[in-house]
Amino acid sequence: ELKVEQNPLFLSMQEGKNYTIYCNYSTTSDRLYWYRQDPGKSLESLFVLLSNGAVKQEGRLMASLDTKARLSTLHITAAVHDLSATYFCAVEMDSNYQLIWGAGTKLIIKP
Amino acid sequence: GAGVSQSPRYKVTKRGQDVALRCDPISGHVSLYWYRQALGQGPEFLTYFNYEAQQDKSGLPNDRFSAERPEGSISTLTIQRTEQRDSAMYRCASSLIGGQGWDEQFFGPGTRLTVL
Repeated sequence: ELKVEQNPLFLSMQEGKNYTIYCNYSTTSDRLYWYRQDPGKSLESLFVLLSNGAVKQEGRLMASLDTKARLSTLHITAAVHDLSATYFCAVEMDSNYQLIWGAGTKLIIKP
Repeated sequence: GAGVSQSPRYKVTKRGQDVALRCDPISGHVSLYWYRQALGQGPEFLTYFNYEAQQDKSGLPNDRFSAERPEGSISTLTIQRTEQRDSAMYRCASSLIGGQGWDEQFFGPGTRLTVL
């Protein structure tokens, strides 16, 4: 059974700081997705990582995937208040469409 | 173009009643997914359609839950004889291809179901 664990589950940080959210998963997969969810809103796709060593960046967010370690990271650089949200990683089971989701990391960035 | 839409956005019902939740995917999207999301948790897979074919319903909790997509576009998730434990946010997502290829899923706003 594929399990996806995120840590931390809650993070409060000051603007301007850097931090990393981790996503570990338990079985082989080479497709991983990061989503953002604002309170009361739907899920917004941030990144799709398709292969080992994939790195994608958008603004202050950078995501990477290490399929050998079964680990993805979402790095936040010089955080700003607008990045406050809950971030989910989701792993696609091999040769399958199903996404298995982490519990989410609630990020609060204080001005 | 328009994104995924769901209706109703909120549904309050009494225990024992049946409810039908509707999802209108992005035009042209082949794949449609239903998820349930409890407060403070990630989405939980319920079922998946490829065109009108229900390819996987392994996530449906029990036989009170059913889903259909008769014409390969709009889908309805039906919960019969609702129970309080069914209260949750029900989300629909669609993707262009799905199946064997990687494919980004686009989510709708969800239907908040409350069973009294």
